[in-house]
Amino acid sequence: ELKVEQNPLFLSMQEGKNYTIYCNYSTTSDRLYWYRQDPGKSLESLFVLLSNGAVKQEGRLMASLDTKARLSTLHITAAVHDLSATYFCAVPLNTGTASKLTFGTGTRLQVTL
Amino acid sequence: KAGVTQTPRYLIKTRGQQVTLSCSPISGHRSVSWYQQTPGQGLQFLFEYFSETQRNKGNFPGRFSGRQFSNSRSEMNVSTLELGDSALYLCASSLGQGYTDTQYFGPGTRLTVL
Repeated sequence: ELKVEQNPLFLSMQEGKNYTIYCNYSTTSDRLYWYRQDPGKSLESLFVLLSNGAVKQEGRLMASLDTKARLSTLHITAAVHDLSATYFCAVPLNTGTASKLTFGTGTRLQVTL
Repeated sequence: KAGVTQTPRYLIKTRGQQVTLSCSPISGHRSVSWYQQTPGQGLQFLFEYFSETQRNKGNFPGRFSGRQFSNSRSEMNVSTLELGDSALYLCASSLGQGYTDTQYFGPGTRLTVL
């Protein structure tokens, strides 16, 4: 059974600081997804990581994937309040498609002034 | 391009009733997946339909069922509602194939069972 673990579960950080969210998964996968969810809202696609060593960056967020270690990281640089949200990583059951995603528990990020 | 739409957005039902939720995928997407999100269990996969056929299924009881129409629109049905079925139900669509396949989520239907 595929298991996806994220840590930390909750992260409170000051504006301007850097931090990393970790996502570990238990079985081989050729891809990993990161999503953002604001309170009461749906999931917004952030990154699709498709190969070992893949690195994607968008603004203050950078995601990377190490398929050998079964580990992905989401790095936040110089956090701003607008980044406050819950971040999920997700791994599909089958290779080659995005089907049947197993989600991590989510990391609730709170950026304080 | 219009995103994934779900109707209704909110529903209140009582135990024992049944409910049908609807999802319209992004134009051109042939795969529709359904997820349940609760504070206790997080995001859990219900099932996926691709070209009108159920392609994958999660670990939910038979009270949860779905279907997909020829235009890729999908419906999910829950019969004999239980209190524990209260949740946010999210629909996601994707091409369903291809190297860069990605699921895009709709706004969700919040179901409350009293």
